[in-house]
Amino acid sequence: QVQLVESGGGVVQPGRSLRLSCAASGFTFSTYGMHWVRQAPGKGLEWVAIISYDGSNEYYADSVKGRFTISRDNSKSTLYLQMNSLRADDTAVYYCAKDRHPRRSYSPFDYWGQGTLVTVSS
Amino acid sequence: EIVLTQSPGTLSLSPGERATLSCRASQSVSSSYLAWYQQKPGQPPRLLLYGASSRATGIPDRFSGSGSGTDFTLTITRLEPEDFAVYYCQQYGSSPAITFGQGTRLEIK
Repeated sequence: QVQLVESGGGVVQPGRSLRLSCAASGFTFSTYGMHWVRQAPGKGLEWVAIISYDGSNEYYADSVKGRFTISRDNSKSTLYLQMNSLRADDTAVYYCAKDRHPRRSYSPFDYWGQGTLVTVSS
Repeated sequence: EIVLTQSPGTLSLSPGERATLSCRASQSVSSSYLAWYQQKPGQPPRLLLYGASSRATGIPDRFSGSGSGTDFTLTITRLEPEDFAVYYCQQYGSSPAITFGQGTRLEIK
């Protein structure tokens, strides 16, 4: 069965960095685009970033562009999110999510991890 | 970016009733690349519908979707107790900028 397990969250001071990981299993990781989506406490969902199945393309929400970097290691079936210059409004549960359709530009997300909480506070 | 506006913000209904949730886009959603998700407290979202009207794997047929262009609807016939949750619409057609609506909370009356 498909599993996505995030890790790396925690409490970090404003301006510092954090790297999240998402370990995938139960599917051919290298054939699916992957995403990070976040949810601030008590708020709605915000898409953060996407990386194509082969890692050749990546895109970001304006709110994180220039500060966050999405990457993947297909040999390890692992997705990453490097978060730099963190701000208080980056505080959220961060989910990794998998494209439903392989190797396609337009796809909904059919599996999500349980999320990892990032708290940015001094 | 495409802004999605969901209404109502909160919907209060009883089990067995019919729920109609709306999602309106600020511009046309390409090829009906519109999805609906259900989220319960402490859980990640679950994909219900994609392509505006196609049910995801394992989703019961009391969930249905319709619409095109800028107006989309999620209908739940005969509400079950487990259906009370928050529902989000998502457009994934204006790649790469994927957006979600702000959510509709479906609560027990």
